[in-house]
Amino acid sequence: KAGVTQTPRYLIKTRGQQVTLSCSPISGHRSVSWYQQTPGQGLQFLFEYFSETQRNKGNFPGRFSGRQFSNSRSEMNVSTLELGDSALYLCASSSTGSEQYFGPGTRLTVT
Amino acid sequence: AQTVTQSQPEMSVQEAETVTLSCTYDTSESDYYLFWYKQPPSRQMILVIRQEAYKQQNATENRFSVNFQKAAKSFSLKISDSQLGDAAMYFCALKVASGSRLTFGEGTQLTVNP
Repeated sequence: KAGVTQTPRYLIKTRGQQVTLSCSPISGHRSVSWYQQTPGQGLQFLFEYFSETQRNKGNFPGRFSGRQFSNSRSEMNVSTLELGDSALYLCASSSTGSEQYFGPGTRLTVT
Repeated sequence: AQTVTQSQPEMSVQEAETVTLSCTYDTSESDYYLFWYKQPPSRQMILVIRQEAYKQQNATENRFSVNFQKAAKSFSLKISDSQLGDAAMYFCALKVASGSRLTFGEGTQLTVNP
């Protein structure tokens, strides 16, 4: 099976812009979770989608949103970008609800 | 709330030797899972090993094994016969069965010396 894929791999945006990141889970996996990784805060949970519904949400401002499509692909959107949003954004998929398998990440740089 | 603590920011080991990475956690839940993930310089997070809290037997995956001490809330990873390719950041993570989020520790940077 193909692994989790994320696009784009690298992104440079300007403060105030918005950005959309995409994640395609492993075939058959219905749960997709998003994490933000920064040197200062480490790995933090953003949200999880299951069957097109947000099932769990982390402690991030409303500028961070997401959605999931009927084919389980998920997108994450960040509006009004701030310098502090620069991070590695990781997507993970799961079938059983226990272990999660991660994609290669999207490196977002906000200038 | 769940917390995971890795008290060793950096560790080093000689090739072919054994190294143990430490992790402690806290949760009020009785049903949970523990994981070790490896993140090499490519930044791809790779699942190394998992442990179900209800299982007393320690998990093993080839050269990787864990020492799960439930009462002490301790979950260490032992890497035997260390290889250069084992060099990476290692994260301990916890997921309660009733939830979907992984709670990660701060990570331990492992260096393998030839």
